[in-house]
Amino acid sequence: EPEVTQTPSHQVTQMGQEVILRCVPISNHLYFYWYRQILGQKVEFLVSFYNNEISEKSEIFDDQFSVERPDGSNFTLKIRSTKLEDSAMYFCASVGQAFEQYFGPGTRLTVT
Amino acid sequence: GQNIDQPTEMTATEGAIVQINCTYQTSGFNGLFWYQQHAGEAPTFLSYNVLDGLEEKGRFSSFLSRSKGYSYLLLKELQMKDSASYLCAVRVGKAGTALIFGKGTTLSVSS
Repeated sequence: EPEVTQTPSHQVTQMGQEVILRCVPISNHLYFYWYRQILGQKVEFLVSFYNNEISEKSEIFDDQFSVERPDGSNFTLKIRSTKLEDSAMYFCASVGQAFEQYFGPGTRLTVT
Repeated sequence: GQNIDQPTEMTATEGAIVQINCTYQTSGFNGLFWYQQHAGEAPTFLSYNVLDGLEEKGRFSSFLSRSKGYSYLLLKELQMKDSASYLCAVRVGKAGTALIFGKGTTLSVSS
């Protein structure tokens, strides 16, 4: 069964550094999403991507964040200058013709 | 604003039936989703309701009443592996738009 994959599984970085989180969505899916979940808190939407552009974003997705689909398979989330409060699990998700969003296993980002 | 409410915690015993409730007040509605999330793992899809009524899928069923802004997830014949968080999520916009999640209900199943 096809699945969403994410790398790395765990990233540790220092405050102020740039990080890039990578996702490979399910191949025939059309919509791609990034969500985050701070430890013990709810899953929060960051951004959605459709037809090679951002279709929707939340207030969390400020100028420090950017997304790209550089090569038709990978979908990346970049945080330019990480802060302590960016420490969270970051989930990529994708959806095709059906309705359910399939989540990847997540990247645990720890900012020190 | 968007508001999705679920109980924080529930406990039950193996073999029992448990009902997890979710109420929502959102600016729009285009489907309600239930996800299961084990600690440290990604949410996995359980069910989807867009019309009123009950959807059954094996040991899991989900009910929706759009007029009441209410849904529940029913788990039958509970097993220890059902211990997890259960997340209620609403899609407010058209197909393909983001999901808004509740805080989740942590279910503990004991023997």
